[in-house]
Amino acid sequence: EVELVESGGGLVQPGGSLRLSCAVSGFTFSSYWMIWVRQAPGKGLEWVANIRQGGSEKHYVDSVKGRFTISRDNAKNSLYLQMNSLRAEDSAVYYCARGLRLCTGDNCNGFWFDPWGQGTLVTVSS
Amino acid sequence: QTVVTQEPSFSVSPGGTVTLTCGLSSGSVSTGYYPSWYQQTPGQAPRTLIYNTDTRSSGVPDRFSGSILGNKAALTITGAQEDDESDYYCALYMGRGISVFGGGTKLTVL
Repeated sequence: EVELVESGGGLVQPGGSLRLSCAVSGFTFSSYWMIWVRQAPGKGLEWVANIRQGGSEKHYVDSVKGRFTISRDNAKNSLYLQMNSLRAEDSAVYYCARGLRLCTGDNCNGFWFDPWGQGTLVTVSS
Repeated sequence: QTVVTQEPSFSVSPGGTVTLTCGLSSGSVSTGYYPSWYQQTPGQAPRTLIYNTDTRSSGVPDRFSGSILGNKAALTITGAQEDDESDYYCALYMGRGISVFGGGTKLTVL
């Protein structure tokens, strides 16, 4: 069974740091892109960052560039999100998800996200 | 800054048909944006319904269908059920590894 389990959320003061983890099982982790998506309380989904299979390619939404770092450890089947200089507006449930693409040979395009973890809540407040 | 637009809310009667749309603040949505659709009930993680415009994810009932209608991506629910009352989000692939979600549509079935 495919499973993604996030952890590491909690209450942190503005300007603080937090490291989220996503433990994966049930599929070959090293073969897939992975994504972080967040959802502020009562708000919609926001794509945050993604990382290529080997970790060589990463992308971020503008609002977290320079503050958040996505990484992965394929030996541990784990995805991470290091969050620094946290702001109140970063408060959200953070979901990890597997990234899927349409590929013809080595040419891949598009993205969708499936499955999703249950999320971990990050609250930035003094 | 490209904004992905969705109707904030929609209502459908049980057994009825509803079409939710996903547009762009500037420009048209085409298959080249690889639209995908997600269903989320309160307190739960999103569930993937549709990817690559019109492909149903595994286990998704065939009353859910995706398409391009005019200049928008569309999710049509045919024969709506009370269980379909959820928030629905579309996502568009903008290229260079970047995806953007729409603001979501809250669907009421009553």
